Amino acid sequence: AQRVTQPEKLLSVFKGAPVELKCNYSYSGSPELFWYVQYSRQRLQLLLRHISRESIKGFTADLNKGETSFHLKKPFAQEEDSAMYYCALTPGETSGSRLTFGEGTQLTVNP
Amino acid sequence: NAGVTQTPKFQVLKTGQSMTLQCAQDMNHEYMSWYRQDPGMGLRLIHYSVGAGITDQGEVPNGYNVSRSTTEDFPLRLLSAAPSQTSVYFCASSYSPWDPTHSPLHFGNGTRLTVT
Repeated sequence: AQRVTQPEKLLSVFKGAPVELKCNYSYSGSPELFWYVQYSRQRLQLLLRHISRESIKGFTADLNKGETSFHLKKPFAQEEDSAMYYCALTPGETSGSRLTFGEGTQLTVNP
Repeated sequence: NAGVTQTPKFQVLKTGQSMTLQCAQDMNHEYMSWYRQDPGMGLRLIHYSVGAGITDQGEVPNGYNVSRSTTEDFPLRLLSAAPSQTSVYFCASSYSPWDPTHSPLHFGNGTRLTVT
């Protein structure tokens, strides 16, 4: 079965510093990977998806199949980035929307 | 659109009691699911449904039942509550059950359940 691991439960950086939230996965095939975010008092929502190679709110994530990683990066963190971030995976068509989530990383950006 | 609506927001149960967590969506989404969120364990899939009349088990289904009699509603039933079921429960839906890239999950606000 697939698994998603986020090794950092808590991550604290200062405003303007680079930030990287780590995500490692175990799956032998070609998964689809996502980052979901939950801001304080808001619903969990999609941040970005690997297949779209998009940059959302300055965040990017590159799928590294060799290292089975999908780390989330932002060059200059902002206070409004403080939130809980979840990395999620689906094996693909047969599993569809049945996402497997990681443990989550609570990011705090200090002023 | 209200999106995904969960009720109640908070609930306290005694061990052995039963209850139903409600989830409704008004987006005509085919896919609906229930997750529980526990500290250090992330979100774990309890049950899911790819359409009305179809349900299946997720990663942690024991102690929970679901049904999907309409497209809009996907209630989660706790048959005999146990302290291990203390958690935050999230309902999530998406338009297509088979295209998570173009049909992302929409989450409810969650139900915080405490079992004493």
